[in-house]
Amino acid sequence: EPEVTQTPSHQVTQMGQEVILRCVPISNHLYFYWYRQILGQKVEFLVSFYNNEISEKSEIFDDQFSVERPDGSNFTLKIRSTKLEDSAMYFCASIGTRGPYEQYFGPGTRLTVT
Amino acid sequence: QKEVEQNSGPLSVPEGAIASLNCTYSDRGSQSFFWYRQYSGKSPELIMFIYSNGDKEDGRFTAQLNKASQYVSLLIRDSQPSDSATYLCAGGFGGSQGNLIFGKGTKLSVKP
Repeated sequence: EPEVTQTPSHQVTQMGQEVILRCVPISNHLYFYWYRQILGQKVEFLVSFYNNEISEKSEIFDDQFSVERPDGSNFTLKIRSTKLEDSAMYFCASIGTRGPYEQYFGPGTRLTVT
Repeated sequence: QKEVEQNSGPLSVPEGAIASLNCTYSDRGSQSFFWYRQYSGKSPELIMFIYSNGDKEDGRFTAQLNKASQYVSLLIRDSQPSDSATYLCAGGFGGSQGNLIFGKGTKLSVKP
């Protein structure tokens, strides 16, 4: 069964450092998403990406965040200058031609900012 | 402000019983609704989606949607200990309906 993969599984970084979280969506999928989940809290939508551009972003997705699909397979989330409150699990998800009824989540990257 | 509200539980049911999970949503622009299961430390796993008023059944799971009341529910029949997890309700928005607004989740515990 196809799956979304994410690397690394755990990233520890110091406050103020830049991090890049990587995702490989399912190969024929068209829409890509990033969500985050702070420990003990709800899963929050960050950004959606379609046709090589951001289609929607939440209030959380400020200028510190950016997304890119650099090579047609990877989908990355960059946080330019991490803050303590960025510590969370970050999930990548993708949707294929069947639309939202087939949204698959990756296993997540746990980001710890110290 | 788009909101999805769920009772956080925990909800405890005996093995074999019916577990009933509920959620309400605020955004009438949401047309599609999803139930995800999340085990501790894992990613959400899609169980069911529904976009029409009424009931939708899939095996032991039945989703119900009432757009007039802005209410979504999930029934799990013949609950098993392996169903113990947090159940997340989500509403879709955006052109693809794939941008999901999640509730906080209801923690379900099925006792053998």
